[in-house]
Amino acid sequence: KQEVTQIPAALSVPEGENLVLNCSFTDSAIYNLQWFRQDPGKGLTSLLLIQSSQREQTSGRLNASLDKSSGRSTLYIAASQPGDSATYLCAVTSNTGKLIFGQGTTLQVKP
Amino acid sequence: GAVVSQHPSRVICKSGTSVKIECRSLDFQATTMFWYRQFPKQSLMLMATSNEGSKATYEQGVEKDKFLINHASLTLSTLTVTSAHPEDSSFYICSARQRLVGETQYFGPGTRLLVL
Repeated sequence: KQEVTQIPAALSVPEGENLVLNCSFTDSAIYNLQWFRQDPGKGLTSLLLIQSSQREQTSGRLNASLDKSSGRSTLYIAASQPGDSATYLCAVTSNTGKLIFGQGTTLQVKP
Repeated sequence: GAVVSQHPSRVICKSGTSVKIECRSLDFQATTMFWYRQFPKQSLMLMATSNEGSKATYEQGVEKDKFLINHASLTLSTLTVTSAHPEDSSFYICSARQRLVGETQYFGPGTRLLVL
């Protein structure tokens, strides 16, 4: 059974810092991996999607990497801003098409 | 980009009543739609997968008679919480996928259900 784990559960950093969020999964048979952002009481915003054959994806200040063999992904946020404060969710698409989510990392960026 | 809407965004109901939540794909046809629930400070848990024109597939532990799912068209799926109880209070989120297993799922904004 696929399990997705995110570390840390919560993170607080001063504005301007670079930071890394971690995601690990137990079964390497995945279609892709996605990083989402969720603001309190809101739905999900897809940030980056990495196909299983890819190693990384970049969008603006965000860079996500994928090491399928070791079951790990990281989300790197450069020059963090208070507006980046949110919960970040990692999810893998299983070979049946189901999305399996991690518990999320709640990020607070202090001005 | 693909847009998925949910209605209502918030609903408060009395215990024992039924509540219907709609999920619509606005600019694409969704062969498959997914329903998730999220408790406070927890992650999303898949409840069921629905394919247009067929019965939904429920995850283990989800009561199909409690959570009725209908996917009658390629742009609409509904979740009905029957005889709602306070423990059903949660955030319900749907997602829609066009066709292939590996394609992106597009998420709705969620529906907050509060059962009194």
